[in-house]
Amino acid sequence: GENVEQHPSTLSVQEGDSAVIKCTYSDSASNYFPWYKQELGKRPQLIIDIRSNVGEKKDQRIAVTLNKTAKHFSLHITETQPEDSAVYFCAASYTNAGKSTFGDGTTLTVKP
Amino acid sequence: GAVVSQHPSWVICKSGTSVKIECRSLDFQATTMFWYRQFPKQSLMLMATSNEGSKATYEQGVEKDKFLINHASLTLSTLTVTSAHPEDSSFYICSAEENTEAFFGQGTRLTVV
Repeated sequence: GENVEQHPSTLSVQEGDSAVIKCTYSDSASNYFPWYKQELGKRPQLIIDIRSNVGEKKDQRIAVTLNKTAKHFSLHITETQPEDSAVYFCAASYTNAGKSTFGDGTTLTVKP
Repeated sequence: GAVVSQHPSWVICKSGTSVKIECRSLDFQATTMFWYRQFPKQSLMLMATSNEGSKATYEQGVEKDKFLINHASLTLSTLTVTSAHPEDSSFYICSAEENTEAFFGQGTRLTVV
């Protein structure tokens, strides 16, 4: 089955700096790669996603890049703010977005 | 976006009892729903795929007789944790897909004492 590895497990940045989280996946058949933000005790919230026919996608301060050949994808957050502090999960899936394999998560702390 | 509602948000039960968790798609129909379990400070692990009108598909290592799943309508899937034990204490989250995007319920915090 699919295996998703996520790094780093914790990330601390100063407000205004950029944050980068990286994930690798094992199944070349995976074609949908969402990123979720989860606050303590809450449901995961989709912040951005990318499909295998696209190499990069951007939404304001958030961007995701995908390298299908190397089987890795990354989340980039620019101009970080304290409210960006949360746990971020990458995921990979094939055919069903609801059926995903998740990375272990990255705890992002943005210091004011 | 679409809304998935889960009930209850939290539940405390005694060892040996059963607990039922409901997952509803409020504004769309979902022939398939997914159940995840999340232990503290860990990732979401897929437990099973709930299929409307047929048997659920369980992931390797998940006991189907312990985690009973029923998907009797296009908007409701239920997960029943039978004969619950303290090690079953966890955060259970369901999801459903609408327009190729996954939407999650708010989760159920189960504590077995």
